[in-house]
Amino acid sequence: GQQVMQIPQYQHVQEGEDFTTYCNSSTTLSNIQWYKQRPGGHPVFLIQLVKSGEVKKQKRLTFQFGEAKKNSSLHITATQTTDVGTYFCAGQNNNDMRFGAGTRLTVKP
Amino acid sequence: NAGVTQTPKFQVLKTGQSMTLQCAQDMNHEYMSWYRQDPGMGLRLIHYSVGAGITDQGEVPNGYNVSRSTTEDFPLRLLSAAPSQTSVYFCASSYSGGAGANVLTFGAGSRLTVL
Repeated sequence: GQQVMQIPQYQHVQEGEDFTTYCNSSTTLSNIQWYKQRPGGHPVFLIQLVKSGEVKKQKRLTFQFGEAKKNSSLHITATQTTDVGTYFCAGQNNNDMRFGAGTRLTVKP
Repeated sequence: NAGVTQTPKFQVLKTGQSMTLQCAQDMNHEYMSWYRQDPGMGLRLIHYSVGAGITDQGEVPNGYNVSRSTTEDFPLRLLSAAPSQTSVYFCASSYSGGAGANVLTFGAGSRLTVL
């Protein structure tokens, strides 16, 4: 079945440093989504990528979808303490949406 | 709008007991799903439904039953609880087509402990 791998599992950065998490699917995806979960909270939708090679930006966050629609990345420029949380990618194939294991980001002020 | 409402928030069960986690959404979403979240394993899909009367298995369906008699409700039943089912459970819903399709709205979660 479809598998979605996400690395790294943990990332600890100094405030102001950049952060990147990578997501790779075993199958071609119809779309990929990114979610953020604050400690003790529930996942909250950030963005959806649909087109091959798509790049989208939200302020300091840049999301990319690979040309083969099997991988994706989330890059945060100049992290802030408000960026703390776990970032999940979720790959969709038909009605089956599979999540990566998540990357837990901690930021040292 | 309440969005996705899950009850209970916390539950402790003994091995072998049964229970139902409730999930209700008021957004008229066609698609509803249940995930479990365990440390280091992300969110794993248990069951999902694309509309009333239709359900299907996800990645980890064993030990769980679902039904979808209305668009609004999607309860998750644990038939005979086992310690391996100790987890945080999230219900999520989405539109199936049009603007905002497939974007999941999650409930606040239900933390289940099986002793």
